[in-house]
Amino acid sequence: SQELEQSPQSLIVQEGKNLTINCTSSKTLYGLYWYKQKYGEGLIFLMMLQKGGEEKSHEKITAKLDEKKQQSSLHITASQPSHAGIYLCGADYNQGGKLIFGQGTELSVKP
Amino acid sequence: DTEVTQTPKHLVMGMTNKKSLKCEQHMGHRAMYWYKQKAKKPPELMFVYSYEKLSINESVPSRFSPECPNSSLLNLHLHALQPEDSALYLCASSQEPGAGANVLTFGAGSRLTVL
Repeated sequence: SQELEQSPQSLIVQEGKNLTINCTSSKTLYGLYWYKQKYGEGLIFLMMLQKGGEEKSHEKITAKLDEKKQQSSLHITASQPSHAGIYLCGADYNQGGKLIFGQGTELSVKP
Repeated sequence: DTEVTQTPKHLVMGMTNKKSLKCEQHMGHRAMYWYKQKAKKPPELMFVYSYEKLSINESVPSRFSPECPNSSLLNLHLHALQPEDSALYLCASSQEPGAGANVLTFGAGSRLTVL
């Protein structure tokens, strides 16, 4: 979607390294959702952000939503092979439950 | 039960066949969704059902026909499909659309191949 830009498209990191994935919206977000997907499988919910400046963490993954609610980042600390997969940000623009996804970031973690 | 179950996992069909994809959830969710995902692309919304009524149709061709028999079940009827319709079809559900926090729970998907 042109409304939602995700970067980078792909990322290869050495195990133990930190990484950040960005998601930028062209308009104000009512909610921003992060999902992870293994190739050919369903999406696994990671985190939801709604308030400007909000930050949430789960295990080694932290997600933030900036004050203006137009950009989010997902940060993984000390990456592990289990973190490999496709990370998708999803935008809620208050359109009756419609969730629009960014293009995704394919993460590979080298042991 | 916190799952969305999709059947079949894989489906191969000819262009003249009629088949259906099925989706079931028992979380008491009142919104259900169909998404289509092509290889290396993000999921694209097809339909949204809210309280068993079709609320969003993203201009999907009529060869795809959704049905929501009750609050736990969602079907996608397929007829006269084209090879370009081959994709992973994902079903999802959420508590209530448009009510603020709206976390979608996804099924594992049905991989459709049209010959």
